[in-house]
Amino acid sequence: AQTVTQSQPEMSVQEAETVTLSCTYDTSENNYYLFWYKQPPSRQMILVIRQEAYKQQNATENRFSVNFQKAAKSFSLKISDSQLGDTAMYFCAFMKRSGANNLFFGTGTRLTVIP
Amino acid sequence: EAGVAQSPRYKIIEKRQSVAFWCNPISGHATLYWYQQILGQGPKLLIQFQNNGVVDDSQLPKDRFSAERLKGVDSTLKIQPAKLEDSAVYLCASSFIRTGGGNEQFFGPGTRLTVL
Repeated sequence: AQTVTQSQPEMSVQEAETVTLSCTYDTSENNYYLFWYKQPPSRQMILVIRQEAYKQQNATENRFSVNFQKAAKSFSLKISDSQLGDTAMYFCAFMKRSGANNLFFGTGTRLTVIP
Repeated sequence: EAGVAQSPRYKIIEKRQSVAFWCNPISGHATLYWYQQILGQGPKLLIQFQNNGVVDDSQLPKDRFSAERLKGVDSTLKIQPAKLEDSAVYLCASSFIRTGGGNEQFFGPGTRLTVL
């Protein structure tokens, strides 16, 4: 079974500053994908960034980047130059590479960007 | 491009009543998922369809929950009879089939169910 742990229920950051959200996971799979999803107050979940476990290079998407440590089973999200629109719940999620490709989610981190 | 549509957005029922939720995925998406998101938790998969076949329903409480995806397009999730612990947001998501997996899932706005 796969488990995803987000140990920071809430975080805040000043606008334009940098913040890092933590995520650890447990799996016996060797090939898998990791995701960060954002759920703004309107509730529609959107993909922020995706990492393929067999790629050593950390994924980046504009102001968003990850620190993927496969041996430590750690997958943190760094948001640079935080903007008010980044205020949301952030969910870390795991997907197996083979078989049913559903997502296993963590409990989320509520991020508030302070003006 | 239209996103994933869900209705209703909100529903309040009393325990032991029945309720149904509807989802219309993004056009062309073969895979459809229903997730349950209880307050303070991350979404949990209830059932996954590929076209009109079930891929995974291992977490679906089959004594009270049912789902169908006739014709491989839109889907309905039903709860009968509802319990207090079914109060949650029900999220529908859809995706393309991507060789090698890792497909992005697109989520609808969800249906917030309150069972009194």
